Amino acid sequence: DGGITQSPKYLFRKEGQNVTLSCEQNLNHDAMYWYRQDPGQGLRLIYYSQIVNDFQKGDIAEGYSVSREKKESFPLTVTSAQKNPTAFYLCASRDRGTSEKLFFGSGTQLSVL
Amino acid sequence: GQNIDQPTEMTATEGAIVQINCTYQTSGFNGLFWYQQHAGEAPTFLSYNVLDGLEEKGRFSSFLSRSKGYSYLLLKELQMKDSASYLCAVPSGGSYIPTFGRGTSLIVHP
Repeated sequence: DGGITQSPKYLFRKEGQNVTLSCEQNLNHDAMYWYRQDPGQGLRLIYYSQIVNDFQKGDIAEGYSVSREKKESFPLTVTSAQKNPTAFYLCASRDRGTSEKLFFGSGTQLSVL
Repeated sequence: GQNIDQPTEMTATEGAIVQINCTYQTSGFNGLFWYQQHAGEAPTFLSYNVLDGLEEKGRFSSFLSRSKGYSYLLLKELQMKDSASYLCAVPSGGSYIPTFGRGTSLIVHP
């Protein structure tokens, strides 16, 4: 079955540590997105990638980094520069050629120790 | 930029009908999405409206008025499992990057 997989489900970060959230899709989608969700707020765009080897900053990119070396993979690194990383992180993908809707992964809850 | 506004919370009774409104302001319009999200889970797609009018899908319907910058999601014959957050999203013109509202938390009571 095709889908989008995020791991881990839960992640804990120590102060000053970088952590990487995984996002893999086997839907053959060109576009991939990272969103952050805080309680009582909507989804805010961190980074997005329309095609392999290219990505763009979203609305809240500071303290985060991404790479897009393979079509299937779009990992997100939360760096020590992100001072308030505790949130629910959602990865999504879209088939640019056929559909506007997003397919979401199951999310990663990141907490600070 | 884009501005999307929807109520924070709504409550309704099992078996009833509820309407969740969404107003938006956007430069360039590429349609409007509704997603359902249960707590701690991924959002799931409900509907996509690009033309004015009402689209019905079983118990759920979605309405769009582009001239008024307004949409609503109508849920009929409410069930307890409909308790969730409902997200309105509008892709920005040109790039098709979806911007989400804060979501409406719907609580269905027995």
